[in-house]
Amino acid sequence: SQQGEEDPQALSIQEGENATMNCSYKTSINNLQWYRQNSGRGLVHLILIRSNEREKHSGRLRVTLDTSKKSSSLLITASRAADTASYFCATDRTGTASKLTFGTGTRLQVTL
Amino acid sequence: GAVVSQHPSRVICKSGTSVKIECRSLDFQATTMFWYRQFPKQSLMLMATSNEGSKATYEQGVEKDKFLINHASLTLSTLTVTSAHPEDSSFYICSAWMNTEAFFGQGTRLTVV
Repeated sequence: SQQGEEDPQALSIQEGENATMNCSYKTSINNLQWYRQNSGRGLVHLILIRSNEREKHSGRLRVTLDTSKKSSSLLITASRAADTASYFCATDRTGTASKLTFGTGTRLQVTL
Repeated sequence: GAVVSQHPSRVICKSGTSVKIECRSLDFQATTMFWYRQFPKQSLMLMATSNEGSKATYEQGVEKDKFLINHASLTLSTLTVTSAHPEDSSFYICSAWMNTEAFFGQGTRLTVV
């Protein structure tokens, strides 16, 4: 299987704290994307980082990419209860209409 | 932004029957769409790549005769689960790319009883 691994599998934090999720993948990539999925729903695209980028920010999200280690991290700062969801990383090899390989996902629970 | 619409969002069917799921790109054309399956608390696994005007490409282990894919137009791909069994119960999600971003449908929860 080419599926990536994410850790932790589950993370429970309190509102206001930061949440960090890690993703490792197995093959060379063109870019890596992070998605969010609320229970039983579709995926919402959060952020894309290209293979030649090392860090990217979007609002309260910070993504890093280390291609030498084949890993990425997603940091959510000042978490809110509404951030409770599953988060997946996904990689593609060509960057254009290609299939995505998803990580195993991290289930984040943010409590009040 | 681009929207991918999937229908129905939820369906319950009896064993042995067939179910069709539609995936539409609403404001862009997609020559290629992707179908994923997700079991509870698991990740998404690619089932097949739907190609407009040609045969779909199935991932290893996915039965092409059971999961029929039709991509008859640039905005519509359909997945038909034929002779459904309880083990086919899952969450099915389609996606399509616009530029460098993949957009996903809302998903279809299939329950086979």
